Amino acid sequence: QQQVKQSPQSLIVQKGGISIINCAYENTAFDYFPWYQQFPGKGPALLIAIRPDVSEKKEGRFTISFNKSAKQFSLHIMDSQPGDSATYFCAASKNGGFKTIFGAGTRLFVKA
Amino acid sequence: NAGVMQNPRHLVRRRGQEARLRCSPMKGHSHVYWYRQLPEEGLKFMVYLQKENIIDESGMPKERFSAEFPKEGPSILRIQQVVRGDSAAYFCASSPPPNSYEQYFGPGTRLTVT
Repeated sequence: QQQVKQSPQSLIVQKGGISIINCAYENTAFDYFPWYQQFPGKGPALLIAIRPDVSEKKEGRFTISFNKSAKQFSLHIMDSQPGDSATYFCAASKNGGFKTIFGAGTRLFVKA
Repeated sequence: NAGVMQNPRHLVRRRGQEARLRCSPMKGHSHVYWYRQLPEEGLKFMVYLQKENIIDESGMPKERFSAEFPKEGPSILRIQQVVRGDSAAYFCASSPPPNSYEQYFGPGTRLTVT
């Protein structure tokens, strides 16, 4: 019940295309859903986050879509660029957020 | 405004030795978290600390691992008698009070046990 399942494991997208990464959760008590971006040799960086009372949040080229009834959420990267090539992690937390549960990660490669 | 700092960045230990990993949170942050990342895997929560208090250590192995966040100085993750399976990247994160939703991660310490 504490798991967050993420897919795909890896993704190759052409420059200018849309990258889509999906996550699913079981525990309906989760109330905060962040996405993190991690470059090789670096720590994860908070990219964008959403709460379950909204269905979509957009920040620049990054959009989270949230489907509460299906217990799924996804990250869309519009106009993908080679600089977006990184590993992306979805996550979920509750009760103040201290025990964040991470998905297994998606390795994105954007071809120039 | 300096981010979360971790040192050392790389640590090599022989089996049976002790590893000490340090984490200095961002200025103004009083909550510290430690996570472990195995190759090709996501991050696994280990422990959550506030100054002089361990709030939740449910993700810490019962033996050989300990963590502290003293009143003065950095948070320390200590691994005694390391084994090959301890080889991983260990990340520290911090967040400002009053809650822990927005966590800011350090660059990590990559521990290699030979």
